[in-house]
Amino acid sequence: GQQVMQIPQYQHVQEGEDFTTYCNSSTTLSNIQWYKQRPGGHPVFLIQLVKSGEVKKQKRLTFQFGEAKKNSSLHITATQTTDVGTYFCGSSNTGKLIFGQGTTLQVKP
Amino acid sequence: DAGVIQSPRHEVTEMGQEVTLRCKPISGHNSLFWYRQTMMRGLELLIYFNNNVPIDDSGMPEDRFSAKMPNASFSTLKIQPSEPRDSAVYFCASNVGPGYSPLHFGNGTRLTVT
Repeated sequence: GQQVMQIPQYQHVQEGEDFTTYCNSSTTLSNIQWYKQRPGGHPVFLIQLVKSGEVKKQKRLTFQFGEAKKNSSLHITATQTTDVGTYFCGSSNTGKLIFGQGTTLQVKP
Repeated sequence: DAGVIQSPRHEVTEMGQEVTLRCKPISGHNSLFWYRQTMMRGLELLIYFNNNVPIDDSGMPEDRFSAKMPNASFSTLKIQPSEPRDSAVYFCASNVGPGYSPLHFGNGTRLTVT
């Protein structure tokens, strides 16, 4: 079945450093959705990408969908302590959304 | 907008007992999803419904798990009998489906089976 692999599993950064998480698939993805889950919270939708090579920005966050639609990345510029949490990518196929394992980001002030 | 409502927030039960988790999706959303989250396996999709009909239950771990959606505003996930390895956070989510629309998650139910 459809699977998305996410790396790294954990990342510790100093506040102000950049952070990137990657999402990869062996098959072409119809779309990519990114979610953020704060500690003790629930996943919250951030953004969706559907077009090959698409790039979208939300303030310090940049989301990218690969040209072959088999990978995606989320890059955070100059991390802040409010960025702490687990970031999940997911892809929906026939209506069901399958998530990667997530990348947990820790930010040291 | 009330969001997706799950109950209870926490459930502690003994092995062998029946557990029922409840979910009220966002009004107007026609797809509903049950996920289980653990450290080992991350966010696993257990089952999803579209227009109250179960579409894919391939993620349901075994016969001890069952889910129903008797109407558009209510769903249950039942575990009978429960086992310690069922301990996890169970999330319900809904969206305007099928398709690519974002999922809206509830706050989850933290289940502990002793």
